[in-house]
Amino acid sequence: AQSVSQHNHHVILSEAASLELGCNYSYGGTVNLFWYVQYPGQHLQLLLKYFSGDPLVKGIKGFEAEFIKSKFSFNLRKPSVQWSDTAEYFCAVTSYDKLIFGTGTRLQVFP
Amino acid sequence: DGGITQSPKYLFRKEGQNVTLSCEQNLNHDAMYWYRQDPGQGLRLIYYSQIVNDFQKGDIAEGYSVSREKKESFPLTVTSAQKNPTAFYLCASSFGTVGGQPQHFGDGTRLSIL
Repeated sequence: AQSVSQHNHHVILSEAASLELGCNYSYGGTVNLFWYVQYPGQHLQLLLKYFSGDPLVKGIKGFEAEFIKSKFSFNLRKPSVQWSDTAEYFCAVTSYDKLIFGTGTRLQVFP
Repeated sequence: DGGITQSPKYLFRKEGQNVTLSCEQNLNHDAMYWYRQDPGQGLRLIYYSQIVNDFQKGDIAEGYSVSREKKESFPLTVTSAQKNPTAFYLCASSFGTVGGQPQHFGDGTRLSIL
């Protein structure tokens, strides 16, 4: 069965630092990949998605993610984080007609 | 504005009691989902429905029940058989099957045991 691993459970950064959050999935083949973000007190919202084509995907608020099929990875990156990026980030992968979510990474950004 | 409305925001349950969480969407989405979110465990799928009058069990369906009588509504009942119901419950919806469509989420309902 498909599973998703997010190895960074809690990340603490200062503003302007670079960010990379890891996401690995277990099952190969054709997959659709997503990153969702949950800001404090807000609902989960889509950050970016990969279906096919260019493996480097750009999302909202300056985030991007790179799909590396050989590594079963879909890491999220941002060159320079802001305090407003403080949130919980979830990677998700399709499995047949369902989405499988990772356990999430809590990001705290300090001014 | 289109979106997903979950109610109530907070819910308390007594031992042995069934409670129902409401989820309504006005996005004209075909598919709806219920997830449970626990700290450190991410989101786990309880039930999902791709069409009216049809639904499937997710990974942790035991102790829960759902109905899908209308396209807009997908209520979740937490029964007394669910031994550890304290959690944050999220409802989501999407066009068609999840494989190609991102999901839109509600604000959630936090359920606690008295």
